[in-house]
Amino acid sequence: NAGVTQTPKFRVLKTGQSMTLLCAQDMNHEYMYWYRQDPGMGLRLIHYSVGEGTTAKGEVPDGYNVSRLKKQNFLLGLESAAPSQTSVYFCASQQDRVWQEQYFGPGTRLTVT
Amino acid sequence: DQQVKQNSPSLSVQEGRISILNCDYTNSMFDYFLWYKKYPAEGPTFLISISSIKDKNEDGRFTVFLNKSAKHLSLHIVPSQPGDSAVYFCAASATSGTYKYIFGTGTRLKVLA
Repeated sequence: NAGVTQTPKFRVLKTGQSMTLLCAQDMNHEYMYWYRQDPGMGLRLIHYSVGEGTTAKGEVPDGYNVSRLKKQNFLLGLESAAPSQTSVYFCASQQDRVWQEQYFGPGTRLTVT
Repeated sequence: DQQVKQNSPSLSVQEGRISILNCDYTNSMFDYFLWYKKYPAEGPTFLISISSIKDKNEDGRFTVFLNKSAKHLSLHIVPSQPGDSAVYFCAASATSGTYKYIFGTGTRLKVLA
């Protein structure tokens, strides 16, 4: 099992460009999440999904969109990148039962200039 | 408003001694808590968890204590090893709601050989 994988690992964007981050999991998990990690801020939830075809906003959703067309994939889109979106992005997945841990991908380091 | 707080950004401990990492929370609805370990350039990995029906959970060198009245949990690592040097995040969830976790800002542990 690969677990949770993220594509790409690194990316540099210019302000105003768009991109999509892909997260894939092979554990048949129902729930998937996108976080961003910034120095001194911990992990903050951007958007999450509780099943195929569903999405919901987290703590910091502005400037991002997501889609979950297939159960195993969760896409995070930036339509018009801003320097404030420079961060490390982590995807996670979790089984749909209470008291379960989340499994994280290796992260994507995004720099917006 | 930070619902989960890790007030010590960093901690240094001598190899073989005990490491104690602390976490405070404000939401009395939280009933499940996790600790994650994160190495540089990797995603967080699950370490240990505790539910609100317990006050202690042990897994090898790692023990988590929960004090519900004080809304405080701590992670004890005994004995500490150089490989334990990492950033540790605590996370909390209110399982009666959606399956979201709120993460603390992390504590960087350095174990000195």
